Amino acid sequence: AQSVAQPEDQVNVAEGNPLTVKCTYSVSGNPYLFWYVQYPNRGLQFLLKYITGDNLVKGSYGFEAEFNKSQTSFHLKKPSALVSDSALYFCAVRPRNSGGYQKVTFGTGTKLQVIP
Amino acid sequence: DAGVTQSPTHLIKTRGQHVTLRCSPISGHKSVSWYQQVLGQGPQFIFQYYEKEERGRGNFPDRFSARQFPNYSSELNVNALLLGDSALYLCASSLADPNYDQPQHFGDGTRLSIL
Repeated sequence: AQSVAQPEDQVNVAEGNPLTVKCTYSVSGNPYLFWYVQYPNRGLQFLLKYITGDNLVKGSYGFEAEFNKSQTSFHLKKPSALVSDSALYFCAVRPRNSGGYQKVTFGTGTKLQVIP
Repeated sequence: DAGVTQSPTHLIKTRGQHVTLRCSPISGHKSVSWYQQVLGQGPQFIFQYYEKEERGRGNFPDRFSARQFPNYSSELNVNALLLGDSALYLCASSLADPNYDQPQHFGDGTRLSIL
């Protein structure tokens, strides 16, 4: 069975500092990996995805994520945090051969708080 | 272009009642998925439909059912509501066959409260 772990319920960072939101996964074979962001009372917004190739993936709003196969991790990063980045962040995984449907598994989410 | 739209935005029901939630995907998207998001947790997969056929089902009881219409909109039905069904129900659409690496586009959800 596939799973996603986001070990931190909350991450606090000062505005202007770099941020990292951690994600590790467990899945058979090579995965597709995604990051989504959720603002209060809203649905999830796609940030970025890893399919293949370069281990550093760049996405929306200046976010990037680093895929590390040996550590089965896909940490979300941003060089300089903004107060507007404060939100709930979800990591998600889908195996490449998902039996004909998009069986996506989400982590439990990490609340990012950027302090002015 | 309009995003994924869900209706209603909020709903209050009592135990034992039935509810129907509706979703309109982004124009051109043929795949619709439904998720349940309980407060403080990540979304849990309920169903996926592609080209009007059920392609996947999560670990939910038979009280949950869904369908997709010829215009690719979708309904999620829940019978015999329980207190534990209180959650945000999210609909997501994607462009192509679910075997591909398409990201999903989410609606803002329906907040269902069971009294």
